[in-house]
Amino acid sequence: GNSVTQMEGPVTLSEEAFLTINCTYTATGYPSLFWYVQYPGEGLQLLLKATKADDKGSNKGFEATYRKETTSFHLEKGSVQVSDSAVYFCALIPGGGADGLTFGKGTHLIIQP
Amino acid sequence: EAEVAQSPRYKITEKSQAVAFWCDPISGHATLYWYRQILGQGPELLVQFQDESVVDDSQLPKDRFSAERLKGVDSTLKIQPAELGDSAMYLCASSLGGTSNYGYTFGSGTRLTVV
Repeated sequence: GNSVTQMEGPVTLSEEAFLTINCTYTATGYPSLFWYVQYPGEGLQLLLKATKADDKGSNKGFEATYRKETTSFHLEKGSVQVSDSAVYFCALIPGGGADGLTFGKGTHLIIQP
Repeated sequence: EAEVAQSPRYKITEKSQAVAFWCDPISGHATLYWYRQILGQGPELLVQFQDESVVDDSQLPKDRFSAERLKGVDSTLKIQPAELGDSAMYLCASSLGGTSNYGYTFGSGTRLTVV
């Protein structure tokens, strides 16, 4: 079946530190990959996506590259801010089709000033 | 910016009672999803609609959960009877098309507490 595995949190960093949140996946075919962010008490917001191998998604200083050879889609940011504190979810849609999203369990990120 | 509307925002109900949630997707979005998010976990798909038709309800506990989208626009998710384990955030999402090339927009969710 399809699944997404994320590094467990919480991840605590100081402001301006470099961020990496690891994500690996198992899926049939060639999935589309996503990162969503959830702020306390709110729904999910799409952060970035990549729909084919070697694509790089980017948004608001965050980046992730679709690595088919390692089945990974790690999220990175060069300099985090306190406002980046949230829960981050890696997700996939198998084969880029019409199915719903399969999510990882989420990684809680805490940025300290 | 267009939003997916959900109501109520919070709901407290007693065990064995009936409860319903409502979702109004972005205008023109043919695909609608209901997800359940248990605290500390990622969302899990409950049901997917394409217009008024159910595309996938394989993870919907059909003995107590039901979902409808009668006119292919807004949707209602019902639980009857509610159980303690149903306490979770219920998220609705919509998409213009049925593929990942289109964005999925999530609502703010309904937080259900069963006591």
